[in-house]
Amino acid sequence: DAMVIQNPRYQVTQFGKPVTLSCSQTLNHNVMYWYQQKSSQAPKLLFHYYDKDFNNEADTPDNFQSRRPNTSFCFLDIRSPGLGDAAMYLCATSRESAGKSNQPQHFGDGTRLSIL
Amino acid sequence: AQKVTQAQTEISVVEKEDVTLDCVYETRDTTYYLFWYKQPPSGELVFLIRRNSFDEQNEISGRYSWNFQKSTSSFNFTITASQVVDSAVYFCALSRGDSNYQLIWGAGTKLIIKP
Repeated sequence: DAMVIQNPRYQVTQFGKPVTLSCSQTLNHNVMYWYQQKSSQAPKLLFHYYDKDFNNEADTPDNFQSRRPNTSFCFLDIRSPGLGDAAMYLCATSRESAGKSNQPQHFGDGTRLSIL
Repeated sequence: AQKVTQAQTEISVVEKEDVTLDCVYETRDTTYYLFWYKQPPSGELVFLIRRNSFDEQNEISGRYSWNFQKSTSSFNFTITASQVVDSAVYFCALSRGDSNYQLIWGAGTKLIIKP
């Protein structure tokens, strides 16, 4: 029973062509995260939503945007993908109390993005 | 500064051997949380365990066990009687437990279990 669902599993786009990755959850968790993971590296947090509050990591490129229209869905938009953006993109969720980040994160299967 | 070190880049053992994955952390916080995640070749990250800084009890779950020692700032993970399905990259991570939601990740240890 998939609880954090990412679509598509594989995405190919052209250099500079906008692309959107999607994530949905059935856990009703209040926090959703987007990570970028390159080969043989640990995941790198891009941003997260605490409910509707958007939090951008300081080193996340402006090329990356996110939307969370409701509790269940979150989107990652890459406005002008470059070759360096080829990576696995992971969505995660957790249920947190205000001001605390101590709960396990539940991850989707990821979307592997290739740039032609 | 906070840091998580997984010094073992890759470990290869033969099936049924026991194997220990090391995790050493640095933090000045008195309250913090430690996690282990498994990432099999298929790519999804699977949560294995969470431990808070006030709970130094070791934990056993089937063939998996964890040894948390604050005195050495270590949170090591042992797999007993390893199986091929245990082959994966294992990440140790640290959370401050406050409103900073960024997990501090170790570099990961790639575990290869040979039949």
